[in-house]
Amino acid sequence: KQEVTQIPAALSVPEGENLVLNCSFTDSAIYNLQWFRQDPGKGLTSLLLIQSSQREQTSGRLNASLDKSSGRSTLYIAASQPGDSATYLCAGRVSYGQNFVFGPGTRLSVLP
Amino acid sequence: NAGVTQTPKFQVLKTGQSMTLQCAQDMNHEYMSWYRQDPGMGLRLIHYSVGAGITDQGEVPNGYNVSRSTTEDFPLRLLSAAPSQTSVYFCASRRRFGGQVDGEQYFGPGTRLTVT
Repeated sequence: KQEVTQIPAALSVPEGENLVLNCSFTDSAIYNLQWFRQDPGKGLTSLLLIQSSQREQTSGRLNASLDKSSGRSTLYIAASQPGDSATYLCAGRVSYGQNFVFGPGTRLSVLP
Repeated sequence: NAGVTQTPKFQVLKTGQSMTLQCAQDMNHEYMSWYRQDPGMGLRLIHYSVGAGITDQGEVPNGYNVSRSTTEDFPLRLLSAAPSQTSVYFCASRRRFGGQVDGEQYFGPGTRLTVT
């Protein structure tokens, strides 16, 4: 059974710092990977989707990469802002399945 | 586009009652799914559908039924509510291109269900 770990579980940083969130799958046979943010009491918002033919995706201050050989992904946030405070979840679809499996999330607080 | 909509936003049920959580999307997505989110457990897949008339079980299907009569709608039925079903329920949809290509997943705002 595919299991997903996200490290750290929680992170608190001052505004302006660059930071890295990590996501790791027990089974490295990942096709596609998606990063989401979730604000308290809200649904999930898609940030980046890395297709099987890609190694990374960028959107504004966000960059996500996927290393298929190790089953690990990182989300890099540049010049963090208080508005980035949220929980960040990764989800991956394995090569032999239809569904995405979610990590538990990293709760990020960016202090002004 | 409204995206993915869910109703109701909040619901309180007594043990043994039944109810249906509604989910609709207006993006013509083939794939729809239901998740529950519990503290410390993350998101777990309940049921999913790859198109109208086709449904399948996810990781935690017991106590829930689904049907998919149209592309747009994917209701989740709780047959006989139990306190263990207290959770936040999310519906999601995405394009299904086949093979190794996926569309982005879009989520609804969630339904917060309490079973007493």
